Amino acid sequence: DQQVKQNSPSLSVQEGRISILNCDYTNSMFDYFLWYKKYPAEGPTFLISISSIKDKNEDGRFTVFLNKSAKHLSLHIVPSQPGDSAVYFCAATPRNRDDKIIFGKGTRLHILP
Amino acid sequence: DSGVTQTPKHLITATGQRVTLRCSPRSGDLSVYWYQQSLDQGLQFLIQYYNGEERAKGNILERFSAQQFPDLHSELNLSSLELGDSALYFCASSPSRDSPLHFGNGTRLTVT
Repeated sequence: DQQVKQNSPSLSVQEGRISILNCDYTNSMFDYFLWYKKYPAEGPTFLISISSIKDKNEDGRFTVFLNKSAKHLSLHIVPSQPGDSAVYFCAATPRNRDDKIIFGKGTRLHILP
Repeated sequence: DSGVTQTPKHLITATGQRVTLRCSPRSGDLSVYWYQQSLDQGLQFLIQYYNGEERAKGNILERFSAQQFPDLHSELNLSSLELGDSALYFCASSPSRDSPLHFGNGTRLTVT
């Protein structure tokens, strides 16, 4: 049972344009959501998070939107840069209930020159 | 550099064998998490320790076990290895529940 779903295995975006990565979840107990970025031969690195009490969180070029009723979140990167080419993982946790942090399968983002 | 150290980086072993993967968390982090990433799979949560005690368990096989020592480093033991155990194994640490995880660079296990 996949509780965190990233339905797009890959995405190609022109440099300078907006990249939108999507994530859906099924567990209504999740109340804290995170995005991680992974380069080859490295471990994932934390990018941005959002608590369920918010519907938007922004950090520089990165913005995460949360739609609780749809159980959907998205990561917007604008403008996209070549260094953004990586695999992006969405993760979720019922933060106040246990410590399981569940990850999606990831979306590979290619930024085209 | 995340501050989380995993050794070894690569491990090649035969089916039926046993291996131990080691993780040193960031200084001050009490929680250690283990994840498995197989081909085309996301990061599958295995197990979490907090200050030496098991806190949460995921899809960890009975052939796998882990522990966290008093100095907070952790070891993941994989026994009776099968071909399907070939994967990247990541360790992550965090200081508290409210903090994001910091991952090591992983141990790539190849079972032949």
